[in-house]
Amino acid sequence: QVQLQESGPGLVKPSQTLSLTCIVSGGSISSGGYYWSWIRQHPGKGLEWIGYMYYTGSTYYNPSLKSRVIISVDTSKNQFSLSLSSVTAADTAVYYCAREDEGILGYWGQGTLVTVSS
Amino acid sequence: DIVMTQSPDSLAVSLGERATINCKSNQSVLNSSKNKNYLAWHQQKPGQPPKLIIHWASTRESGVPERFSGSGSRADFTLTISSLQAEDVAVYYCQQYYSVPWTFGQGTKVEIK
Repeated sequence: QVQLQESGPGLVKPSQTLSLTCIVSGGSISSGGYYWSWIRQHPGKGLEWIGYMYYTGSTYYNPSLKSRVIISVDTSKNQFSLSLSSVTAADTAVYYCAREDEGILGYWGQGTLVTVSS
Repeated sequence: DIVMTQSPDSLAVSLGERATINCKSNQSVLNSSKNKNYLAWHQQKPGQPPKLIIHWASTRESGVPERFSGSGSRADFTLTISSLQAEDVAVYYCQQYYSVPWTFGQGTKVEIK
């Protein structure tokens, strides 16, 4: 059973870069066949898909965030990462990583709350 | 982007009664060549991450109780809980994966009356 766990700072200052890592266990990112996504949920709100990557490094980002997002992979550590630059209070959210198969988000991490505040 | 709209925003149902949630997309999510609707339902209980319960509009995930069923096609979908149980209290989201960026409905909160 694949498991995902997000990690990273819970507090980021405005204008800085938010950086999170998703550690994958129970399956290898480099075995292929799946895409690895980031999704966020603003407090008390709905879900926003940020983007995904494949183990080869190919990516797709939501156009709403594209100019500020980078998703990268470290296959040696079986983890992938999210970088979101120039953050503001509007980026305060719970960030989830997930594994997807043809867009089906079948496995989710527990999520990590990131607050943007000085 | 494909816009997903759910109704109602919330509903309260008595234990053992039926709960019905609707989801509409502003364009079809049916791949006609594969005859598949690219529509999923997720359940999110308080303090937990979303959990996939249905994909391809009507395929239940392994371990999901049979009281959960999905139906619909093209741009009009329904999630039905045939006999609401206390553990079904949650927010339910539809999600399209027909075209990127994947998008979600705003969620429907299901409570016990």
